Amino acid sequence: AQSVAQPEDQVNVAEGNPLTVKCTYSVSGNPYLFWYVQYPNRGLQFLLKYITGDNLVKGSYGFEAEFNKSQTSFHLKKPSALVSDSALYFCAVRDTIYNQGGKLIFGQGTELSVKP
Amino acid sequence: ETGVTQTPRHLVMGMTNKKSLKCEQHLGHNAMYWYKQSAKKPLELMFVYNFKEQTENNSVPSRFSPECPNSSHLFLHLHTLQPEDSALYLCASSQDSGGAEAFFGQGTRLTVV
Repeated sequence: AQSVAQPEDQVNVAEGNPLTVKCTYSVSGNPYLFWYVQYPNRGLQFLLKYITGDNLVKGSYGFEAEFNKSQTSFHLKKPSALVSDSALYFCAVRDTIYNQGGKLIFGQGTELSVKP
Repeated sequence: ETGVTQTPRHLVMGMTNKKSLKCEQHLGHNAMYWYKQSAKKPLELMFVYNFKEQTENNSVPSRFSPECPNSSHLFLHLHTLQPEDSALYLCASSQDSGGAEAFFGQGTRLTVV
């Protein structure tokens, strides 16, 4: 079975400070990992993904994430937070044992609040 | 704009009504998904279609009935719903590849009264 955990319901950061949103996963095979962002009353927008290769993945809006296989983690980071980054962030995983585009499983989401 | 369009954006229906949600994508994707997003809960995967064939039904009650007539369109037919079915229903599509990201529509905000 595959699962994703986001241990923090909310993260509060001051503008200009670095931010981290945590994600851990569990899969049977190797993971495909994704981060999405959701603004109020909107669908989810893709930020970045890890498939293979370099453990540090860079994505949209200055976000990056680091894949750590030993810790089964894929934390989202940004060196300098903006107020406009305030939103709901979701981590997701797809198990590579699925040959087709199968289940994309999401964590429960982390509300990021960036204060001026 | 993600290329995935959902209609309607908002829907209020009584428990005895029958309604349908529509999802359309012209991204050339061959996998489509329905998710339910309730307040304070994670996204719940409901159904997965690959090449128009249903490959996943995540123990969804029969009052929700999906239909995928072609790779570009996905419907969710609703009948005799309950108030607890009120939620944001999200459609997504992706290439038929494990590493492909999913593209989401804006969602349909459903309220059952």
